[in-house]
Amino acid sequence: QVQLQESGPGLVKPSQTLSLTCTVSGGSISSGSYYWSWIRQPAGKGLEWIGRIYASGSTNYNPSLRSRVIISVDTSKSQFSLKLNSVTAADTAVYSCAREAGSWYAFDIWGQGTKVTVSS
Amino acid sequence: SYELTQPPSVSVSPGQTASITCSGDKLGDKYTCWYQQKPGQSPVLVMYQDSKRPSGIPERFSGSSSGNTATLTISGTQAMDEADYYCQAWDSGTVVFGGGTKLTVL
Repeated sequence: QVQLQESGPGLVKPSQTLSLTCTVSGGSISSGSYYWSWIRQPAGKGLEWIGRIYASGSTNYNPSLRSRVIISVDTSKSQFSLKLNSVTAADTAVYSCAREAGSWYAFDIWGQGTKVTVSS
Repeated sequence: SYELTQPPSVSVSPGQTASITCSGDKLGDKYTCWYQQKPGQSPVLVMYQDSKRPSGIPERFSGSSSGNTATLTISGTQAMDEADYYCQAWDSGTVVFGGGTKLTVL
């Protein structure tokens, strides 16, 4: 079965760039009608969609974060990545990658999430 | 921007029916899905396209949507159903989540 695993630094300094990678295993990132998303959740708060990418490289971003976000894909490694620049303490959250089953309009598989703290 | 509104909390006695609502402008014209999240865990999809259950989700979970409101219903609620529940929909190419509802089974 398909599994997602996030990786990346757990601590980022203010004004710097947060970089995370999601590795897809048990299936191809290029197969089927799937989109690959990043979602975050500050401690004790709700879920916020950051953006998504298709295997072709086509992206969609949350308008509130669009100016600071880049999502990219490396199909040869079955990975997709998130870069969020100019981070502040407000970007501290658990960041999760998730698979969107396109025909379902829903996220059917999630990674376990990785906590990222923005602090000097 | 589009908003989805959920009650912060819902309480239910074991064995009873719990209903969690999600409100948004013309939400019935969009597909709504629902996630269950237990402490320290990632969300789990429990309902998609308003009323479809993914494989492995118990039949006691059901969903509906009409007008401005989508509803997740849990019949015969069990202690294991205690969790946070989030609704989600798409609007103008963007994913929107509700603020979440804490379901307490007591």
